Amino acid sequence: GENVEQHPSTLSVQEGDSAVIKCTYSDSASNYFPWYKQELGKRPQLIIDIRSNVGEKKDQRIAVTLNKTAKHFSLHITETQPEDSAVYFCAASTDYKLSFGAGTTVTVRA
Amino acid sequence: SQTIHQWPATLVQPVGSPLSLECTVEGTSNPNLYWYRQAAGRGLQLLFYSVGIGQISSEVPQNLSASRPQDRQFILSSKKLLLSDSGFYLCAWTRTRSTDTQYFGPGTRLTVL
Repeated sequence: GENVEQHPSTLSVQEGDSAVIKCTYSDSASNYFPWYKQELGKRPQLIIDIRSNVGEKKDQRIAVTLNKTAKHFSLHITETQPEDSAVYFCAASTDYKLSFGAGTTVTVRA
Repeated sequence: SQTIHQWPATLVQPVGSPLSLECTVEGTSNPNLYWYRQAAGRGLQLLFYSVGIGQISSEVPQNLSASRPQDRQFILSSKKLLLSDSGFYLCAWTRTRSTDTQYFGPGTRLTVL
């Protein structure tokens, strides 16, 4: 099955700086890559996603890049704000299922 | 628009007791449905998924089971809970037979004592 690795596991950034989270996947058939944000005690919420026919996608301060050849994708958050503090999960899809990375705890220091 | 419900929101159960968690989706037909478990401070573990009524796929062998008695209803059950069953149980849905965005329910926080 699909195996998704996510790095780093924790990330501390100064407010206003950028944050980058990287994920790799194993199954070359995976074609959909969402990113979720989970605040403490709440459900994961989709923040951005990308499909395998696109190399980059941006939504305001958030962007995702995909390198199919290398089988890795990354989340970029610019101009970080305190409300960006949360756990972020990447995922890759295969056969109606999502395989999730282990998560990255992002802390934005004021 | 689509809405996903889960209940109960929180549950405290003794070891060895039975379990029944319910998930329902509104505003869509024949969704794919999923059950995940999230242990404290950990990632999302897929337990079961269903692409149609009566069709259940199990991802992890354990003392849990799932059923889909109606198109938009997904139930997670256990006959005897273990301490290790404690966690945050999340139901999710996506469009029928698609590899697409999964939307999560509000979750059930289960504590087994």
